[in-house]
Amino acid sequence: QVQLQESGPGLVKPSETLSLTCTVSGGSISNYYWTWIRQPPGKGLEYIGDIYYSGSTNYNPSLKSRVTISVDTSNNQFSLRLNSVTAADTAAYYCARVRVGSFDFWGQGTLVTVSS
Amino acid sequence: QSVLTQPPSVSGAPGQRVTISCTGSTSNIGAGYDVNWYQQLPGTAPKLLIYGISDRPSGVPVRFSGSKSGTSASLAITGLQAEDEADYYCQSYDTSLSGYVFGTGTKVTVL
Repeated sequence: QVQLQESGPGLVKPSETLSLTCTVSGGSISNYYWTWIRQPPGKGLEYIGDIYYSGSTNYNPSLKSRVTISVDTSNNQFSLRLNSVTAADTAAYYCARVRVGSFDFWGQGTLVTVSS
Repeated sequence: QSVLTQPPSVSGAPGQRVTISCTGSTSNIGAGYDVNWYQQLPGTAPKLLIYGISDRPSGVPVRFSGSKSGTSASLAITGLQAEDEADYYCQSYDTSLSGYVFGTGTKVTVL
């Protein structure tokens, strides 16, 4: 069974960079797309972007100028960087595997708060 | 910025059938892309409930079913149970945004 685990700081200051890593276990990161999704408190889900194990990426146009997703196949990890954060970026951040256009395995999520 | 619209809430008594609609457009559902559904129990990560419009992952009860027509899709829960009380989201792909999109979400309440 594939498992995903997000890790990173739970508190980020405004204007700084949010950095999260997703570690995949129970399966290889190869041959799949992997995605980041976020959910502000009390609100709905928002697709941030995705990455193929080879490194090709797709980003949500509304976040594209601030987002970078990268992959580290040797450690079975992929990462998210979101720069110039504001309070509006406060959310639970989830990593997930993409399979045939759906998100079949999810991490438990990590809450990131943007505050000084 | 959700491009898929769902009713904010639906409710039903135990044993009843409820449906959740997901309305899109010709750039997503109407373009022929699959619709997937997720169940999010309070305080937990979303879980894939239906994929490819109407297929269920292993372990998902048969009382959950999906369908699609034109630019809309629906999730039906037949024989509603107390444990089905959760938020439900539809999801598809949008060609104009060149990315995945989610529905606005629907809270299901079991009366």
